[in-house]
Amino acid sequence: ETGVTQSPTHLIKTRGQQVTLRCSSQSGHNTVSWYQQALGQGPQFIFQYYREEENGRGNFPPRFSGLQFPNYSSELNVNALELDDSALYLCASSGPQTGKWELFFGEGSRLTVL
Amino acid sequence: SQQGEEDPQALSIQEGENATMNCSYKTSINNLQWYRQNSGRGLVHLILIRSNEREKHSGRLRVTLDTSKKSSSLLITASRAADTASYFCATVAAGNKLTFGGGTRVLVKP
Repeated sequence: ETGVTQSPTHLIKTRGQQVTLRCSSQSGHNTVSWYQQALGQGPQFIFQYYREEENGRGNFPPRFSGLQFPNYSSELNVNALELDDSALYLCASSGPQTGKWELFFGEGSRLTVL
Repeated sequence: SQQGEEDPQALSIQEGENATMNCSYKTSINNLQWYRQNSGRGLVHLILIRSNEREKHSGRLRVTLDTSKKSSSLLITASRAADTASYFCATVAAGNKLTFGGGTRVLVKP
């Protein structure tokens, strides 16, 4: 059984650019959530995907968008990057075997916006 | 905005001592969870306590929940150097999202 994997692990972008982050969910998990964690703070919920549909969204602007694919992997896209978007982006999956409330997190993608 | 607030923000103890951290939240919840994070990496789920439970144990971890005070505590007994990490409480209210607090940074000195 593979865990949650995220790519890339680190990346640097400049203000105004676009970025795509990828997440492969744990085997058998059909729900993927994305969180943003600024340095020294707790994670903030961005959105959740279930069966390829957005299933809840936090207080993030529309330039944060996502996708979930038939194999339950997911992408987070951020357009028009701002300096404040610099953060660790965490993907978490959950599924029927483990219960929907227990999340399994990947190691994150650390984004730096210059 | 964050639902939970952990206290203290940072904690330094000797190996073998107990570590206690608290979490307060603002709204009614379905359940409350504790997670551990090592050095800015992924979070690891530690324990979940439902709103109708008052105490739960898992190995060296003990969690309490007081819904009347909207607070929870996490106790780590007989701490080890490997327990050095940040600990976050997260609440689930309506919907599917977890709302995390700001975390407690724990340093266990050998």
